[in-house]
Amino acid sequence: KAGVTQTPRYLIKTRGQQVTLSCSPISGHRSVSWYQQTPGQGLQFLFEYFSETQRNKGNFPGRFSGRQFSNSRSEMNVSTLELGDSALYLCASSVQGGDNSPLHFGNGTRLTVT
Amino acid sequence: AQTVTQSQPEMSVQEAETVTLSCTYDTSESDYYLFWYKQPPSRQMILVIRQEAYKQQNATENRFSVNFQKAAKSFSLKISDSQLGDAAMYFCAYWYNNNDMRFGAGTRLTVKP
Repeated sequence: KAGVTQTPRYLIKTRGQQVTLSCSPISGHRSVSWYQQTPGQGLQFLFEYFSETQRNKGNFPGRFSGRQFSNSRSEMNVSTLELGDSALYLCASSVQGGDNSPLHFGNGTRLTVT
Repeated sequence: AQTVTQSQPEMSVQEAETVTLSCTYDTSESDYYLFWYKQPPSRQMILVIRQEAYKQQNATENRFSVNFQKAAKSFSLKISDSQLGDAAMYFCAYWYNNNDMRFGAGTRLTVKP
């Protein structure tokens, strides 16, 4: 079974631009979560989607948004990029979320904002 | 709010020896889940072991075992017979029914040949 796939693997953007990251969950997984990982703040929860609906959201500004499609694939969008948005963005999927099924993570997208 | 603390930024172990990584957490809940994830240089977070808080028995997965002390809110990971491939960042994580998994800051484990 294929794992969680994130594209692109690396991304370089300029301040003020916007970016879209993609995540394809493991087949059969309906919950997709996004995390931001930085050296200073560690791993921080962004949001979680299930059946195309955002079920939970972390403490990030509205510039961070996401969506989930009917095939459970998810995208995350960051608008008006700031230098501080430079981070590794990890996507994780689980069967349903909301239960104790463990998260399966992708390899992440490394975003650099210049 | 639930917080997870890993007090050891870095740890080192000799190959074939045993090492214990510490984790404490803060919660007012009684039924929750705890996890240890490993992040090698490939960046992918890999589940190592998990523990349900309602289970008193400590979880084990081959060379990996935990010491779960619910009253003390402590969840340490013991790696026996350490191998070079165990070198990675290890993250302790807490989860309680809100799809928001809280992670500790991580412990970088080095394995010396």
